[in-house]
Amino acid sequence: DAKTTQPTSMDCAEGRAANLPCNHSTISGNEYVYWYRQIHSQGPQYIIHGLKNNETNEMASLIITEDRKSSTLILPHATLRDTAVYYCIVLFSARQLTFGSGTQLTVLP
Amino acid sequence: AAGVIQSPRHLIKEKRETATLKCYPIPRHDTVYWYQQGPGQDPQFLISFYEKMQSDKGSIPDRFSAQQFSDYHSELNMSSLELGDSALYFCASSFGLALDTQYFGPGTRLTVL
Repeated sequence: DAKTTQPTSMDCAEGRAANLPCNHSTISGNEYVYWYRQIHSQGPQYIIHGLKNNETNEMASLIITEDRKSSTLILPHATLRDTAVYYCIVLFSARQLTFGSGTQLTVLP
Repeated sequence: AAGVIQSPRHLIKEKRETATLKCYPIPRHDTVYWYQQGPGQDPQFLISFYEKMQSDKGSIPDRFSAQQFSDYHSELNMSSLELGDSALYFCASSFGLALDTQYFGPGTRLTVL
């Protein structure tokens, strides 16, 4: 499975959009991009996933570049409860999730 | 919607004791995964089961064993506990062996004294 690179930390003002980038330059054509988040000491929470096309659900939007080498998770209106570590995970055949360092998103009042 | 249930939520044990953690997957989910998260670390995959058979194995110590039962719940048995086993243990479940979204439980916090 492809390796991912994410910024260590980001801040976002409450009510503004939070844009979390992820680089996965070695991704192969059949690998998916998954996003999970972990609010302090809680179980990781599934957010969204995609293969090629942009995806949107009630929590977030996922924008994947045309070459699939990077993606951006967008939380449209961040709230204080969105403060968490966000993990970008690329996988296909491996059924287990490999959590990298993730991005600590802090939403500021 | 029903979620993954883990019990107990907190557990305190002495060194060299044994511990058993339980996981009840989301109804109709037949695949269970166990992850360990040490203090300040990211979750690490331990082991998974599909239809009561072990499907994948990660960095699970030999002192640990796990199984999945006919009702699909799973138990993680940990023996000869060490201080370094103190961690959060998460269970996740999904449907099927193919790539499918994993949904996590709230975790069990194990403290070894």
